[in-house]
Amino acid sequence: RKEVEQDPGPFNVPEGATVAFNCTYSNSASQSFFWYRQDCRKEPKLLMSVYSSGNEDGRFTAQLNRASQYISLLIRDSKLSDSATYLCVVKASGGSYIPTFGRGTSLIVHP
Amino acid sequence: NAGVTQTPKFRVLKTGQSMTLLCAQDMNHEYMYWYRQDPGMGLRLIHYSVGEGTTAKGEVPDGYNVSRLKKQNFLLGLESAAPSQTSVYFCASSWVISAGGAYNEQFFGPGTRLTVL
Repeated sequence: RKEVEQDPGPFNVPEGATVAFNCTYSNSASQSFFWYRQDCRKEPKLLMSVYSSGNEDGRFTAQLNRASQYISLLIRDSKLSDSATYLCVVKASGGSYIPTFGRGTSLIVHP
Repeated sequence: NAGVTQTPKFRVLKTGQSMTLLCAQDMNHEYMYWYRQDPGMGLRLIHYSVGEGTTAKGEVPDGYNVSRLKKQNFLLGLESAAPSQTSVYFCASSWVISAGGAYNEQFFGPGTRLTVL
């Protein structure tokens, strides 16, 4: 089982829709969780961190479920500009200094 | 503040040729990384550096070498390019990521698109 797994999609949704992605991780010692956004042929950029209590940033909500070892990203009122690939990033505590990236979930928002 | 820059942006090589990719950051970050990204494979770590003069292997280091002679620069070398090294290469940098501590955001460069014929 890969350390960090994501459904590659694509998720094809109309403007205004609500869409959610999950990301599962295998290392129970994982400590830090993040979502990055990558536009086509561009570099990844940090979208938001994921806190234990969940967090919200405008239309975006991130949640962590430690018991089931997954994080989620919810996008409300989707915009055309939300079309991108969303990468899940996980860092374990202890040992490795290096975070692990998921392969990404592709989102296409259409008019 | 340029952030993370990469040189060149595009390159086409023939099998067996060598080249060096340059990454520079002006944020005084301690950590620097080289990733490759292939369709369906996500980002894979090639090598990384936790400080000037230090380097370490990542997930896919074979066929690559790196050097970090100056804190702001991280070089990735291909001694004898192979078609399997056709990819998009991203450099990134960050503040210190402690083993037991929190993660610090990685800032990525715009990428280098390399084709090996």
